[in-house]
Amino acid sequence: AQRVTQPEKLLSVFKGAPVELKCNYSYSGSPELFWYVQYSRQRLQLLLRHISRESIKGFTADLNKGETSFHLKKPFAQEEDSAMYYCALRVTSGTYKYIFGTGTRLKVLA
Amino acid sequence: KAGVTQTPRYLIKTRGQQVTLSCSPISGHRSVSWYQQTPGQGLQFLFEYFSETQRNKGNFPGRFSGRQFSNSRSEMNVSTLELGDSALYLCASSREEVYNEQFFGPGTRLTVL
Repeated sequence: AQRVTQPEKLLSVFKGAPVELKCNYSYSGSPELFWYVQYSRQRLQLLLRHISRESIKGFTADLNKGETSFHLKKPFAQEEDSAMYYCALRVTSGTYKYIFGTGTRLKVLA
Repeated sequence: KAGVTQTPRYLIKTRGQQVTLSCSPISGHRSVSWYQQTPGQGLQFLFEYFSETQRNKGNFPGRFSGRQFSNSRSEMNVSTLELGDSALYLCASSREEVYNEQFFGPGTRLTVL
């Protein structure tokens, strides 16, 4: 079965603390993984994709095929990072479809 | 380049009625996907259209349907509305390329009374 699991609904950290938002996936094919973010009163938008191996707004995510994980990390959280974060898997076998996790709300406390 | 637009932004309906939501993708994007977003369930995939053909469908009842026009604009329809259909309905468009991101619209907030 194709599935994306984000075990934490809410994650609260203090400003300056490290952040790790967990994402695990289940997919037998070659995964395309993404993190999307939704700031308050804004549209859902792409944060980063695993193929790029880039750091966006200080966030990085490494695909671990052995553990089927794609955790999102940032060494020092900022208040402006407070948002809803969704991990997404793009299924490419046959036809294209995105599967989203249920999301994790990150609250960065001052 | 204009982003994805959705109309209307807000809708209030009563149980048993039907509703049609519209989505205009970014120019050049031929893939349009629809999602239902609720606080408890996150984003749930409804269906995806490409070149006027439904390629994928999520696990929603037949009351949820959609279509895509030759200009890639898409509509989704929900018939016989139920209270549980109250949600934010998001439309997203993308190019048909590997690792391409989806661009989301602002959503249509549907409230069923």
